[in-house]
Amino acid sequence: DVKVTQSSRYLVKRTGEKVFLECVQDMDHENMFWYRQDPGLGLRLIYFSYDVKMKEKGDIPEGYSVSREKKERFSLILESASTNQTSMYLCAAGQGNSPLHFGNGTRLTVT
Amino acid sequence: GDSVTQMEGPVTLSEEAFLTINCTYTATGYPSLFWYVQYPGEGLQLLLKATKADDKGSNKGFEATYRKETTSFHLEKGSVQVSDSAVYFCALSDQAGTALIFGKGTTLSVSS
Repeated sequence: DVKVTQSSRYLVKRTGEKVFLECVQDMDHENMFWYRQDPGLGLRLIYFSYDVKMKEKGDIPEGYSVSREKKERFSLILESASTNQTSMYLCAAGQGNSPLHFGNGTRLTVT
Repeated sequence: GDSVTQMEGPVTLSEEAFLTINCTYTATGYPSLFWYVQYPGEGLQLLLKATKADDKGSNKGFEATYRKETTSFHLEKGSVQVSDSAVYFCALSDQAGTALIFGKGTTLSVSS
């Protein structure tokens, strides 16, 4: 089974801080994704990557960037955290037409 | 663009009741359809999937049939348990088979 590990379950940051959310997968999958989950809005795609050093914007990329220097690691970066980025962040990995595998999520609070 | 609409919750049922969670989709091509489940404090897990019209996905007593004529993929279970309490997400993948588009989720609460 694919394992997707997100480095933090809970994170509290201050407005304006630079925040890194890390995600690692152990099955050599090509595709990795970052979603945010908010009540009443479901999951919305922030960024995704099909290969090392490649990235594509999702539906809500504003205020975020990503980094994929190694195949197994996909980082989400909040350049200057704001309170409206308080959310649950979910990382996922997949390959071809196979279903996505999700991490357990990072609940980020920005104060 | 492609989209998924699922019934709003919360859905509250007694144990052994019949469950239906409605899901309809809009897509230009022939998407694959999925149901994911999220238990409290966890990430999403694939519950079942269907990749073409009239396919039926099933797992853990849950079923859903890909209905192209009604663009629907309703989730059903004949007898729910307390342990089924979770948030259920309907999703589709576009023809590239990569990024998933999710519905807003339906919270199910089952009481004994």
